[in-house]
Amino acid sequence: KAGVTQTPRYLIKTRGQQVTLSCSPISGHRSVSWYQQTPGQGLQFLFEYFSETQRNKGNFPGRFSGRQFSNSRSEMNVSTLELGDSALYLCASSLTQGAGANVLTFGAGSRLTVL
Amino acid sequence: GQQLNQSPQSMFIQEGEDVSMNCTSSSIFNTWLWYKQDPGEGPVLLIALYKAGELTSNGRLTAQFGITRKDSFLNISASIPSDVGIYFCADGSQGNLIFGKGTKLSVKP
Repeated sequence: KAGVTQTPRYLIKTRGQQVTLSCSPISGHRSVSWYQQTPGQGLQFLFEYFSETQRNKGNFPGRFSGRQFSNSRSEMNVSTLELGDSALYLCASSLTQGAGANVLTFGAGSRLTVL
Repeated sequence: GQQLNQSPQSMFIQEGEDVSMNCTSSSIFNTWLWYKQDPGEGPVLLIALYKAGELTSNGRLTAQFGITRKDSFLNISASIPSDVGIYFCADGSQGNLIFGKGTKLSVKP
């Protein structure tokens, strides 16, 4: 059974550009969550999608957005990149929404470097 | 907002030693989760705790949900080199995970 797949694994962008990251959940999982991991702030929740609808959102500016497709695959987009957006972006999938009662399976992440 | 304090931040141990780390919260939790993250990978769930006082084991790992519902500890017995990594506690009560800052474990060979 394939795990959570994130692409690309590594990418470098410059300030002001935008980036799109992709996540393919485990087959049958309908919820996808995104987290940002930085050395200073640790792991922080970005948003969760279930049945193509954003169900929950963390405390991030509007430059961070996402969407989910009918096949449960998800993308997140960061516009007008800033140096502080350099981070490991982790996607996690689960059968249904809500992290407490469901086991989240994380992907290996997409490491974004903003120059 | 809710804060998770995880300690110690890092530790070096001799192979074969037992390890203990803990998390405390400013709020009451309904769910305590412990994850491990290896270099270049995402976090992997080790143990999930859902009830105050609950003590759960997973191989050499043992975790407990504190009676006050504001703390939890994780013990690793007889550590081995592959235990190296970052261990995170997390709260799943809010629908999304709130993570502690992690305990980085390094094992001396």
